[in-house]
Amino acid sequence: GAVVSQHPSRVICKSGTSVKIECRSLDFQATTMFWYRQFPKQSLMLMATSNEGSKATYEQGVEKDKFLINHASLTLSTLTVTSAHPEDSSFYICSAVHSGEETQYFGPGTRLLVL
Amino acid sequence: AQSVTQLGSHVSVSEGALVLLRCNYSSSVPPYLFWYVQYPNQGLQLLLKYTTGATLVKGINGFEAEFKKSETSFHLTKPSAHMSDAAEYFCAVSHFTGNQFYFGTGTSLTVIP
Repeated sequence: GAVVSQHPSRVICKSGTSVKIECRSLDFQATTMFWYRQFPKQSLMLMATSNEGSKATYEQGVEKDKFLINHASLTLSTLTVTSAHPEDSSFYICSAVHSGEETQYFGPGTRLLVL
Repeated sequence: AQSVTQLGSHVSVSEGALVLLRCNYSSSVPPYLFWYVQYPNQGLQLLLKYTTGATLVKGINGFEAEFKKSETSFHLTKPSAHMSDAAEYFCAVSHFTGNQFYFGTGTSLTVIP
């Protein structure tokens, strides 16, 4: 149980285009989902906290207009990188928390490369 | 403020030797503590966690960790390293259900044959 999926696993796009990444909790309802960014050989950097049915809470320094987060249902959150640039290339990981629990279950990550 | 310190960004052990990965935290309230493992180009997999109760917790793949409040530590151990244990290990702390995690900077474990 507690499986989280991400799609796509890898995406290459041209500079200026937008990319949508999906995060799904497959066998539980996630009232809260988190989006992280990870640079090579570094720890995870929290970008935003996403609660179902409400606006995401962004961490300081994360542009909410560039990284659009939608948590439309209890099993799906999406991160859209708008007008992507090469510096947005990174590994993006989501996690999900079951209501009333303390454990975050992580997706397998999405590798984004912007050319 | 909450923070997590992982001493040693790189640890190398011989196959069959003891694995010890260190994690210290600072917290003003009782913490929830976690260890995750990450293999290359993959997400994080939960190894074990401490929330309440027994301070020695056992996880998957033969790993265990002990919560020591007096030392504010939650070190991860495994009696005998296996080649498949080579990965990146992250310690994390949180305080409330569904709340954000504070991660350590990670420890890369290398297992020498």
